[in-house]
Amino acid sequence: DGGITQSPKYLFRKEGQNVTLSCEQNLNHDAMYWYRQDPGQGLRLIYYSQIVNDFQKGDIAEGYSVSREKKESFPLTVTSAQKNPTAFYLCASKEGAWQPQHFGDGTRLSIL
Amino acid sequence: GQQLNQSPQSMFIQEGEDVSMNCTSSSIFNTWLWYKQDPGEGPVLLIALYKAGELTSNGRLTAQFGITRKDSFLNISASIPSDVGIYFCAGSIAGNNDMRFGAGTRLTVKP
Repeated sequence: DGGITQSPKYLFRKEGQNVTLSCEQNLNHDAMYWYRQDPGQGLRLIYYSQIVNDFQKGDIAEGYSVSREKKESFPLTVTSAQKNPTAFYLCASKEGAWQPQHFGDGTRLSIL
Repeated sequence: GQQLNQSPQSMFIQEGEDVSMNCTSSSIFNTWLWYKQDPGEGPVLLIALYKAGELTSNGRLTAQFGITRKDSFLNISASIPSDVGIYFCAGSIAGNNDMRFGAGTRLTVKP
């Protein structure tokens, strides 16, 4: 089936630890995105990438890092510099300019 | 960045009732999108709007792109229990790399 796969579904982070969230898509989409969702708020953009080996900061990039070595993969690392990492993280992709973004099922990150 | 105000924040309705929710922006958008999110899952696209004044339906759902390009609304007719969830509006100026999201409308449908 074509789609966007995020893993793991649930993730726990210890103090001072970096954790990496996986996002894979088999839709052949060029652009991929990472959002953070907190209760009662709209989604906020962390990073996005329009092509392989290129990515741009979103509104809340501090404490996060990404890579885009392959078209189908856009992993997000939550570093120890992110002091409030507890949230629901959503990955999205889209086919081309003016096309809507489609989302994976999310990863819920919590602090141990 | 642009602020999207989505209202109402929550709605409690009886099965069979119609529902209306809307989003307003301080800035003009070129695209309006409406998504639905179920608990623990990602948002699913319901309707995409690309032209001012456009009225688009998807089954029992109807959405409109406001003439001023600063607002959009979503109507759900004859609600059913599976309509429960959080509905988000999203607006974009340039090619959907810069989407802004409303805070969501949480819909509860009582059987």
